[in-house]
Amino acid sequence: QQQVKQSPQSLIVQKGGISIINCAYENTAFDYFPWYQQFPGKGPALLIAIRPDVSEKKEGRFTISFNKSAKQFSLHIMDSQPGDSATYFCAASKETSGSRLTFGEGTQLTVNP
Amino acid sequence: ETGVTQSPTHLIKTRGQQVTLRCSSQSGHNTVSWYQQALGQGPQFIFQYYREEENGRGNFPPRFSGLQFPNYSSELNVNALELDDSALYLCASSSRTLHTGELFFGEGSRLTVL
Repeated sequence: QQQVKQSPQSLIVQKGGISIINCAYENTAFDYFPWYQQFPGKGPALLIAIRPDVSEKKEGRFTISFNKSAKQFSLHIMDSQPGDSATYFCAASKETSGSRLTFGEGTQLTVNP
Repeated sequence: ETGVTQSPTHLIKTRGQQVTLRCSSQSGHNTVSWYQQALGQGPQFIFQYYREEENGRGNFPPRFSGLQFPNYSSELNVNALELDDSALYLCASSSRTLHTGELFFGEGSRLTVL
């Protein structure tokens, strides 16, 4: 059962544009929502994360928007750069489950120069 | 501070064989988890270890097993390999003590089953 659905599967934006990736979850017990960035040949690395007590979190050019009632959250990358070209995964977990993350299927982002 | 290291980076096995993958956790981390990432998919949780005991398992059969050692390094063992086991296997370490929720992943071991 796919508990975290991610879209789009791939995304192409121009340098300086805004990249938006969306995720929806089913399990209302989830209370931690991270985004991971993965470059080819590398393991995923934490980009930014949010907990459901806030609706938005911003770190530099990266912002998570969280809608608890809709069970949706999204990643916005402002002023997208070619170096942002990577695969992005949303994920969700229950804090009590330790390191058990449920990942989305990923979005391959390409930022053209 | 060293990161998470995994070995081997690539390996090829035939169906029915057994494989052992190894992981060294990041310094100071007491929890290790393993994930399977099929090509073009997100990582799928296999299991996690805390204080040398399995502490949570995903939807994987018993032929997937693991160990965590006192120095927090870990092994993933897969018996009776099947073609569908071909994937990138990721090890991640974390610290329950810090409660940050962040997982630190290694670069993975790419397993091909022929």
